Amino acid sequence: ELKVEQNPLFLSMQEGKNYTIYCNYSTTSDRLYWYRQDPGKSLESLFVLLSNGAVKQEGRLMASLDTKARLSTLHITAAVHDLSATYFCATTNAGNMLTFGGGTRLMVKP
Amino acid sequence: DVKVTQSSRYLVKRTGEKVFLECVQDMDHENMFWYRQDPGLGLRLIYFSYDVKMKEKGDIPEGYSVSREKKERFSLILESASTNQTSMYLCASSLSAGLVHEQYFGPGTRLTVT
Repeated sequence: ELKVEQNPLFLSMQEGKNYTIYCNYSTTSDRLYWYRQDPGKSLESLFVLLSNGAVKQEGRLMASLDTKARLSTLHITAAVHDLSATYFCATTNAGNMLTFGGGTRLMVKP
Repeated sequence: DVKVTQSSRYLVKRTGEKVFLECVQDMDHENMFWYRQDPGLGLRLIYFSYDVKMKEKGDIPEGYSVSREKKERFSLILESASTNQTSMYLCASSLSAGLVHEQYFGPGTRLTVT
């Protein structure tokens, strides 16, 4: 059974600081997805990582994938308040069905 | 842009009622999904459909059924709603072909069962 674990589950950080969210998964997979969810809203796709060593960047967020370690990271550079949201990672070992991590709730304080 | 819509944003039902949640996507996606989201538990897959009239159980199908009569529409049915089905319900869709399989989500339906 595929399990996806994120840590931390909750992160409070000051504006301007850097931090990394970790996503570990339990079985072989070569695809990893990151989503963002704002309070009361649905999930928005951030990154799709399709191979070992894949790295994608959008603004202050950078995601990477290490399939050998079964690990993806979401790195936040110089955080700003607008990045406050819940971030989910998800992967699959069965084609189209995704298994999601529990989410990391990020709060960026001024 | 993919658009996934859900019939209601908020719904309040009584215990024992039959509840229908509707989801429509406009991008001709083969796959459609129903999840529920609860605090601390993340997203859990209820049912998945990969084609019209085809369905597969997800992780928590008990107490739910689904219907996919047309490609663009996927319905979640609570035959007899119970208070433990109070939750946020999210619908998603994705293409079947290719490698990406990125899922696109609807706005969610917050269901309260009293």
